[in-house]
Amino acid sequence: GENVGLHLPTLSVQEGDNSIINCAYSNSASDYFIWYKQESGKGPQFIIDIRSNMDKRQGQRVTVLLNKTVKHLSLQIAATQPGDSAVYFCAETLNDYKLSFGAGTTVTVRA
Amino acid sequence: EAEVAQSPRYKITEKSQAVAFWCDPISGHATLYWYRQILGQGPELLVQFQDESVVDDSQLPKDRFSAERLKGVDSTLKIQPAELGDSAMYLCASSKGSGEAFFGQGTRLTVV
Repeated sequence: GENVGLHLPTLSVQEGDNSIINCAYSNSASDYFIWYKQESGKGPQFIIDIRSNMDKRQGQRVTVLLNKTVKHLSLQIAATQPGDSAVYFCAETLNDYKLSFGAGTTVTVRA
Repeated sequence: EAEVAQSPRYKITEKSQAVAFWCDPISGHATLYWYRQILGQGPELLVQFQDESVVDDSQLPKDRFSAERLKGVDSTLKIQPAELGDSAMYLCASSKGSGEAFFGQGTRLTVV
């Protein structure tokens, strides 16, 4: 369930494996980044965020990595569960102006 | 837990009719966003408010769309006249500024 570096529109992962979701952001000046999870028919739900003065941040079962050199963001999910099946979006902003979303990745967890 | 409230949840309207969506942000959140999300795509920012002022509306189709936040609290997004291509999910989000944006459940609009 890993794909290093490349953004893919879909990701199929075995339950219990780790997942890596990639995102290329557009503005090199962006200073704040957020990962959202969106389930069908619902609004996006906050997962984790990171500011541009950091390169890694960990939450519960999730880790976000930021590489400003190549404008790349990744979300790692440990021990993927069926409830993690959803569409994942990264979003970026500069000084809280125009929170912009990237293309999503649809994650499907296989039992 | 505080939430962003949106209504209605679903709306079906005929083309050329007017339609309006309402959003009540989390109390104390100065920043309010309206997004449009077409099925299978990411949310597209339509308008951003800081209190009652529009910060950005560069992607708002101003010939038919309007948004207001008169008292800097709740907000209304209007479409007049609606077109078939306006069918989408309309999402509202709010933030304190310098932090995460919280989203409502959205309004699913179908134009027939």
